[in-house]
Amino acid sequence: DGGITQSPKYLFRKEGQNVTLSCEQNLNHDAMYWYRQDPGQGLRLIYYSQIVNDFQKGDIAEGYSVSREKKESFPLTVTSAQKNPTAFYLCASSPLQTTNTEAFFGQGTRLTVV
Amino acid sequence: GESVGLHLPTLSVQEGDNSIINCAYSNSASDYFIWYKQESGKGPQFIIDIRSNMDKRQGQRVTVLLNKTVKHLSLQIAATQPGDSAVYFCAETRRGYQKVTFGIGTKLQVIP
Repeated sequence: DGGITQSPKYLFRKEGQNVTLSCEQNLNHDAMYWYRQDPGQGLRLIYYSQIVNDFQKGDIAEGYSVSREKKESFPLTVTSAQKNPTAFYLCASSPLQTTNTEAFFGQGTRLTVV
Repeated sequence: GESVGLHLPTLSVQEGDNSIINCAYSNSASDYFIWYKQESGKGPQFIIDIRSNMDKRQGQRVTVLLNKTVKHLSLQIAATQPGDSAVYFCAETRRGYQKVTFGIGTKLQVIP
């Protein structure tokens, strides 16, 4: 089955530690995205990538880093510099077309800092 | 996730009735508008989109209406079912852009 997989579903981190969230897709999509979702807010874009070895900052990139070494994979690292990392993180992918109107989302990773 | 629905505008609808979820957007330059559905603990799922040169678009049991004059978008769900209970997001983007801006969402509760 084609799809986009995020792991783990739940993640706990101690303050001051970096943590990496996994996102893998087998949809052959060129574009991949990371969003953060907080209660009472819409999805906010952290980073996106349109092609391997290239990525751009979204609206809230501070305290996060990404890599895109393979088309299928777009891991997100939440660094200790992120002041409020507890949130629900969503990865998405889409074909690279003129306009991004349909993105496919993973099931999300809930990160809690303890 | 489960806590996403907290503090969101909520619409309660009786099963079988029609639902109307509204969204106001701010960017006059937006060309495309999209509705997503997010069930508890899952990622958002694409429902329907509409281009700015259209006023109405219909899908299976859903209709999206666009009023560019007042920058308003609505999603109508016919004969609402318990499985429609979810958070619904409107989103906007521009032609040639990969970035999509999402609204805060509306929680739809279907009363059996």
